[in-house]
Amino acid sequence: EAQVTQNPRYLITVTGKKLTVTCSQNMNHEYMSWYRQDPGLGLRQIYYSMNVEVTDKGDVPEGYKVSRKEKRNFPLILESPSPNQTSLYFCASRQGGETQYFGPGTRLLVL
Amino acid sequence: AQSVTQLDSQVPVFEEAPVELRCNYSSSVSVYLFWYVQYPNQGLQLLLKYLSGSTLVKGINGFEAEFNKSQTSFHLRKPSVHISDTAEYFCAVTVSGGYNKLIFGAGTRLAVHP
Repeated sequence: EAQVTQNPRYLITVTGKKLTVTCSQNMNHEYMSWYRQDPGLGLRQIYYSMNVEVTDKGDVPEGYKVSRKEKRNFPLILESPSPNQTSLYFCASRQGGETQYFGPGTRLLVL
Repeated sequence: AQSVTQLDSQVPVFEEAPVELRCNYSSSVSVYLFWYVQYPNQGLQLLLKYLSGSTLVKGINGFEAEFNKSQTSFHLRKPSVHISDTAEYFCAVTVSGGYNKLIFGAGTRLAVHP
């Protein structure tokens, strides 16, 4: 089954404690991206990757890092999380300019 | 740059009534348009998309949307809603072709009442 998976689905942490949210897709897609969803703001892109070792900033990259060492994986790293990074995070992938497939989401609470 | 405006943040409607969720976009080049649905505590699922061709696009669950280039709109419609359609709906736009950024609207929360 074609899918995008994220782990963990739920995470509560404290300010400053480094965390990683994993994302994996099994569709051999070149393009992957991370979004955060906040009430009234829709989805905003954090980072994206056009292919292995090619990443770039989206609209809200501050406080986040990503890496793309393999085509299927695109982890999101918060080196020093802060409360304003409390949000719902989605990973997505697509091939070409068409349909984007989303993961199930990771709900993060930073205390 | 492209942008998307969803004109209603919340739309209450009775079961079996028709509904229209409005979406306007701005772009100086040709675009692809999408509607996604997010059910409570779930990820985003594609409802329908317009890439080219017929301006009336049919999607899953009885939804359809019409691309109107002159009015730069892509409104979503359903002739008769069910309780199970209660969800948040997102309109999105990207420049046609290639790996261009997908821009989302702020979302419209559809609440279907019995």
